[in-house]
Amino acid sequence: NAGVMQNPRHLVRRRGQEARLRCSPMKGHSHVYWYRQLPEEGLKFMVYLQKENIIDESGMPKERFSAEFPKEGPSILRIQQVVRGDSAAYFCASSPRQGSQETQYFGPGTRLLVL
Amino acid sequence: DQQVKQNSPSLSVQEGRISILNCDYTNSMFDYFLWYKKYPAEGPTFLISISSIKDKNEDGRFTVFLNKSAKHLSLHIVPSQPGDSAVYFCAARANTGNQFYFGTGTSLTVIP
Repeated sequence: NAGVMQNPRHLVRRRGQEARLRCSPMKGHSHVYWYRQLPEEGLKFMVYLQKENIIDESGMPKERFSAEFPKEGPSILRIQQVVRGDSAAYFCASSPRQGSQETQYFGPGTRLLVL
Repeated sequence: DQQVKQNSPSLSVQEGRISILNCDYTNSMFDYFLWYKKYPAEGPTFLISISSIKDKNEDGRFTVFLNKSAKHLSLHIVPSQPGDSAVYFCAARANTGNQFYFGTGTSLTVIP
């Protein structure tokens, strides 16, 4: 009964490097959401994807951030040329459907530290 | 623009007593609300939800109350147990939108 899987759990990068965060949704879930949590703050929505489609990326920074959810394989959140302000916990959530009473199930998160 | 607010960053309660966590929202279009519980170094775990057509939903020791006119919801845990010690987030969503809006969390400590 695997839940939402995220890897790596911890990631250290130097400024200017790329960070790739992976998320495997729960079995049977085709909707994936990415959230970011900065220290002392709540979770902030970044992007919502279905297989091969970005549905809503209104929470994504316009530059350096991208996300995908290919037909096969996990969803990837990619951060290019990381800066110190990207240090945060990144959570992925999945749901079986999108609707008014949808419940999202979260993974354990990836903690990104930019040196 | 914090549309969901949890004004109490922390709360301490004696074991066996009631814990009441509060949440306020500003967007009148929100129609679905959830509470999540989060332990350190883990992801949020779904606890309980409520639709705007209801004013109360109960699941075991957990009850969520919704006051639409005040744009306020609360989570009651009774009796509180030490294992309930965690950070609790409320979240809300409008049926016209894709995203959930989260509060900043309340850290609950249940004292044995």
